[in-house]
Amino acid sequence: GAVVSQHPSRVICKSGTSVKIECRSLDFQATTMFWYRQFPKQSLMLMATSNEGSKATYEQGVEKDKFLINHASLTLSTLTVTSAHPEDSSFYICRPKSQGNTEAFFGQGTRLTVV
Amino acid sequence: AQSVTQLDSQVPVFEEAPVELRCNYSSSVSVYLFWYVQYPNQGLQLLLKYLSGSTLVKGINGFEAEFNKSQTSFHLRKPSVHISDTAEYFCAVSDMNRDDKIIFGKGTRLHILP
Repeated sequence: GAVVSQHPSRVICKSGTSVKIECRSLDFQATTMFWYRQFPKQSLMLMATSNEGSKATYEQGVEKDKFLINHASLTLSTLTVTSAHPEDSSFYICRPKSQGNTEAFFGQGTRLTVV
Repeated sequence: AQSVTQLDSQVPVFEEAPVELRCNYSSSVSVYLFWYVQYPNQGLQLLLKYLSGSTLVKGINGFEAEFNKSQTSFHLRKPSVHISDTAEYFCAVSDMNRDDKIIFGKGTRLHILP
């Protein structure tokens, strides 16, 4: 399967600070990037979808100014949680996708804890 | 729009016993179906997928699933579980014509009893 690298795996930050999460597709070009969020004991919920070089499309209820997504290249996308609050504590998972590929490969996830 | 229902939030099974994790979906269009496994604090690993063809799909780690269109189900089975199968299992669906968004069920925690 494809190799996806997501960093960091864990991060603890203070309330009010910003955190950047990176997702890299190491052996394929990700024309589309999906970012998911998973709260404890819940399923994965899609937050936003971005296409390389374009602005991200956010799902209903997700604040675009709070969760900044950059997808400037075909192998790297970043999610920045700005002015993080304790309720943003969650498990964030990326899913890079290449055009025409039905496979779904996910990053290892980032456990964000805001204190 | 598609949706996925995993009726069992938790399934306890004795080691070496068989297990079935249930998944039902609803969709007005043709779909792809997936099962993923998630170990604690890790990402998702694809167990198996149904795209077309044979309705019985074999995956990794001895798991298999059967696509039943009339019952809109895609139940996951394993004839003999091992302690290492303890994990969260997610059923997922995507629109065959727009295979971008994947919709996940709420997950089933498989708890293997010694």
